[in-house]
Amino acid sequence: DQQVKQNSPSLSVQEGRISILNCDYTNSMFDYFLWYKKYPAEGPTFLISISSIKDKNEDGRFTVFLNKSAKHLSLHIVPSQPGDSAVYFCAASARGTYKYIFGTGTRLKVLA
Amino acid sequence: DTGVSQDPRHKITKRGQNVTFRCDPISEHNRLYWYRQTLGQGPEFLTYFQNEAQLEKSRLLSDRFSAERPKGSFSTLEIQRTEQGDSAMYLCASSLEGSYEQFFGPGTRLTVL
Repeated sequence: DQQVKQNSPSLSVQEGRISILNCDYTNSMFDYFLWYKKYPAEGPTFLISISSIKDKNEDGRFTVFLNKSAKHLSLHIVPSQPGDSAVYFCAASARGTYKYIFGTGTRLKVLA
Repeated sequence: DTGVSQDPRHKITKRGQNVTFRCDPISEHNRLYWYRQTLGQGPEFLTYFQNEAQLEKSRLLSDRFSAERPKGSFSTLEIQRTEQGDSAMYLCASSLEGSYEQFFGPGTRLTVL
């Protein structure tokens, strides 16, 4: 049972444009959500997070939006840069636990 | 380098052999996590420690798997009688107590022939 889903395995975007990565979840007990970026041969690197008490969190070029009623979150990258090309994982954590449930990832390719 | 380190980075073994991986967390982090990632999937939680206490174990962690963190610093993950299905990337992460942000190591890639 996949509690965190990233339905787009890959995404290509032109440099300078917006990248939008989506994530859906099924468990209403999740109250903290994170995005990680992963380059080949490296471990995942934390990018940005959001608590369930918020609907938006912004950090530079990265913004995460949370829609609790739809159990959906998205990561916006504006403007996209070639160095953003990586696999992006959405992860969720339930109240009182600190283990992550990860999605299957979306491979982003930013074209120069 | 003060990040999470894992050793070895790659391990090739024959089916039926035992293997042990080591993880050194960020020094002030008292929580340590193990995850497993297979091709095309996201990391899957295996177990986590707070200091030396193992607080949670996933159903994925069969009897052949054991993890320890004897002094609350580094941790080891041992797999006994390896099977081809154990081939995966084994990731370690650490965090401060109460923090949701986990810092991941580079992983150990296990190949079971």
